[in-house]
Formats: sequence, structure tokens, C-alpha cells
Amino acid sequence: QKEVEQDPGPLSVPEGAIVSLNCTYSNSAFQYFMWYRQYSRKGPELLMYTYSSGNKEDGRFTAQVDKSSKYISLFIRDSQPSDSATYLCAMKFGKTGANNLFFGTGTRLTVIP
Amino acid sequence: DAGVIQSPRHEVTEMGQEVTLRCKPISGHDYLFWYRQTMMRGLELLIYFNNNVPIDDSGMPEDRFSAKMPNASFSTLKIQPSEPRDSAVYFCASSDWTGGNEQYFGPGTRLTVT
Repeated sequence: QKEVEQDPGPLSVPEGAIVSLNCTYSNSAFQYFMWYRQYSRKGPELLMYTYSSGNKEDGRFTAQVDKSSKYISLFIRDSQPSDSATYLCAMKFGKTGANNLFFGTGTRLTVIP
Repeated sequence: DAGVIQSPRHEVTEMGQEVTLRCKPISGHDYLFWYRQTMMRGLELLIYFNNNVPIDDSGMPEDRFSAKMPNASFSTLKIQPSEPRDSAVYFCASSDWTGGNEQYFGPGTRLTVT
């Protein structure tokens, strides 16, 4: 079993829809939770990160972490065709020196105009 | 800033050949990471360096893989001999002194071993 599980999709929504992307994890030692966005034929780029449990909002994007359930989510409001990409969740341990990121396999999202 | 630079962008080689992938991290970054991405396994960390020193190579699949970082601006990932199951996209990423949550990825090298 992978440490980080993510539904690969694909997910297809109409423009303007609210999108919900999710990951589950098994190791309670993860403290940092990130969402990366990867456009086709490009490297991933950081979208948002949160520390421990809670919500974080940045424009149309909201990241949620529920450590008790080992579950993280990314919500995209008013989705746009430019949001079409693969979204990867990633996690990191909190201890000093542990710089490895553990990635989910990614969810491919298509927003239809 | 040019970002992380990788070469070549595409590599097609025959089984048994040696393959060398190259990476130039962002200037001033202390950490360099090598990843492999496949549809089945997603993005997997192979090895990472801090100040040119390998810190964790537990993700390197086997002895056929080796990585070096002779200076702060250059790293190589070598596969010898290559096998068809090595076909994947290989990414290099770098991050600042915090080793942090934000890693800056290069465009990747798409490797096909026939």
C-alpha cells in the first residue's frame, strides 16, 4: 500500500463548476501537506501548502487538512479551462532534516468551456 | 531566472546502453532532488542532495542507477545498463536552504528504452 493514495480520475467538469480533489494517507507523522499542479509535458509546480490541520484559502483555491481522518482536499471554485491539469498531493514529515516529499499519483482534471 | 534546466528533453536508447541525464539547479538552491514519474507509480523520489552531498538514496531502484553532484550547479543521473522498465519521465527539482515544501521542478527528460 502506498503511503499516499489519490484517485487518478480522470475528472471532467463544465466551466464554472466547483471541483473537489482528495487524497488519503496512512502515516500520521506527516505534518506538511501540499498541492502541486502539473500541466501536460511540464514539471509540477507548487499551488498551495498547509501545516498540520485546518483550511487555507488562496483566491479560487482552498486546501483542507483533516489529520484525524488522514484526509486532505483541494477545492477549486469557479473552475476555468486554464485549470485543466493534473493535480498532485504531496506530504512531508515534520522532523528536521526529513526533506522527502511523498506524492500521490495525481488526478487529471479537464474543465470544459 | 532560467529555472531548473534539464537535458536532454527526450532520450531514446536501446536496452543495455548507458544513459546520462543532466540537471542544472536554480542558482543559490541548496537541495537537489531526482524523481521518476510513471503512470503506474506516479512521482517517486530517487535521491536527493544537500550542498552537493547525497543525503537519501533509498529510492534508487538498483545498482544500475547512480547519481552525482560534483558542484552546486550540476548533477547527473546515470543508468547503466538501461532496461525497458526504466522508461519514464525523470525530473530534477531544487529548493532553497529550508529544503522546503516548495520544490522547483525542471521540464523533465522523457526516456524511452527499447
